[in-house]
Amino acid sequence: NAGVTQTPKFQVLKTGQSMTLQCAQDMNHNSMYWYRQDPGMGLRLIYYSASEGTTDKGEVPNGYNVSRLNKREFSLRLESAAPSQTSVYFCASSERETGWWNTEAFFGQGTRLTVV
Amino acid sequence: SQQGEEDPQALSIQEGENATMNCSYKTSINNLQWYRQNSGRGLVHLILIRSNEREKHSGRLRVTLDTSKKSSSLLITASRAADTASYFCATGEYGNKLVFGAGTILRVKS
Repeated sequence: NAGVTQTPKFQVLKTGQSMTLQCAQDMNHNSMYWYRQDPGMGLRLIYYSASEGTTDKGEVPNGYNVSRLNKREFSLRLESAAPSQTSVYFCASSERETGWWNTEAFFGQGTRLTVV
Repeated sequence: SQQGEEDPQALSIQEGENATMNCSYKTSINNLQWYRQNSGRGLVHLILIRSNEREKHSGRLRVTLDTSKKSSSLLITASRAADTASYFCATGEYGNKLVFGAGTILRVKS
C-alpha cells in the first residue's frame, strides 16, 4: 500500500499562474484534507472533505479551490498563485467520516511550492 | 489560529537521555494527538489521547493530559539518534477541527 500520494513533490510558479496539486489515498478512507505548513506556524487547514461529494472550508481557504473527484482523490487548485502561497502543502486522510478529527490522520510526503 | 503551543521550541539531548515536550492549548478539546515529522517528510501519527484519559503509553512514548491545566506532555525515554525530528501536538476540537501547534524540534546527538 502506498498510503497517501501527492504529486508533484516540487513546483515553482510565477505569480498569476495556476496549478492543481493532486492527492490520492489507497486506504479506502472517507475523510481527506489539505494543510499548508509555514515556518513557525505549524499546519493550517485549507479545506477538508468528510466524505465523497462534500467539501468544506478550513482556516485559510482564500485563494484555493478543491475537488473531491471520488473517494480516492482530493485535489487542490490555485487559480492565480501569489507569493503568499509559497509553502509546503500536505494532503492527509482518515478513516472516519463523522468525527474525523477524532482519529489518526495519515499524511502524504508534501508538495513544496514556491511562487516567484 | 494555532491551538497547541509546544514548549520548548527546540531541544538538544544526548542519546540515551529522556526528552520531554509540552503542549498547551486554549479551548475545550475532544482529543489530543502527537505527530512526528522527519526533515522533508510528511507527518506520522504517534499517539492519540482522549479528553477523558490522563495517561497513555506506546513503546518508549508516554503522553499525559491534564484538561484542568489545558496541557499535555510527550516523554520519549532512552532517546535514539533516529528520534531526531520535529514533534507536533494537534488538538481535536468539536466543529470539524484538528488544529496543529508550531512544533518542537528535537535533536538527539550520538
